[in-house]
Amino acid sequence: GQQLNQSPQSMFIQEGEDVSMNCTSSSIFNTWLWYKQDPGEGPVLLIALYKAGELTSNGRLTAQFGITRKDSFLNISASIPSDVGIYFCAGQGASYDKVIFGPGTSLSVIP
Amino acid sequence: DGGITQSPKYLFRKEGQNVTLSCEQNLNHDAMYWYRQDPGQGLRLIYYSQIVNDFQKGDIAEGYSVSREKKESFPLTVTSAQKNPTAFYLCASSIRGRTDTQYFGPGTRLTVL
Repeated sequence: GQQLNQSPQSMFIQEGEDVSMNCTSSSIFNTWLWYKQDPGEGPVLLIALYKAGELTSNGRLTAQFGITRKDSFLNISASIPSDVGIYFCAGQGASYDKVIFGPGTSLSVIP
Repeated sequence: DGGITQSPKYLFRKEGQNVTLSCEQNLNHDAMYWYRQDPGQGLRLIYYSQIVNDFQKGDIAEGYSVSREKKESFPLTVTSAQKNPTAFYLCASSIRGRTDTQYFGPGTRLTVL
């Protein structure tokens, strides 16, 4: 079935640094989503991407829908301690009734 | 305030017992979902419902059951047939047909002893 891979699996960065993470698939997706999950809580949608090549920002976060439709990227600029959490990518394929989630990238920010 | 509530936050059960997890939403959403989350893994879909009195199996439905008698409620029962029930369970809801904009509850952590 469809699977998503995320890299890196985890990262430790200094406060103020920029962060990049990506998500790849062997299948084409029509929608890419990025969620953040705080410890012990449910995920919250950060950015939704609907078109190949699309670049969308939400504050310090920027995400891109890859041209091949098989990948997506998330960048966080000038990280702060509250950015700590797990970032999940998710994709929606030809069947719009389901969303497939990646395994997540765990982000730790050192003050 | 509109949102999704899941209760309880932590649940402990003995092996062999069935247990029901609660999920309630007041967002007026038609669609509701149950996911399971294990450490280091993404969310996996257990069951979903697009409308009252109708639901479909997700990718890992074995050992679970659901009901959807009311629009606001979508309880999940973890049965004794589920081989590895200890996990974090997340409920979500969305406008019907809009799985791209799901709102998640805070989750229930189930531990089977």
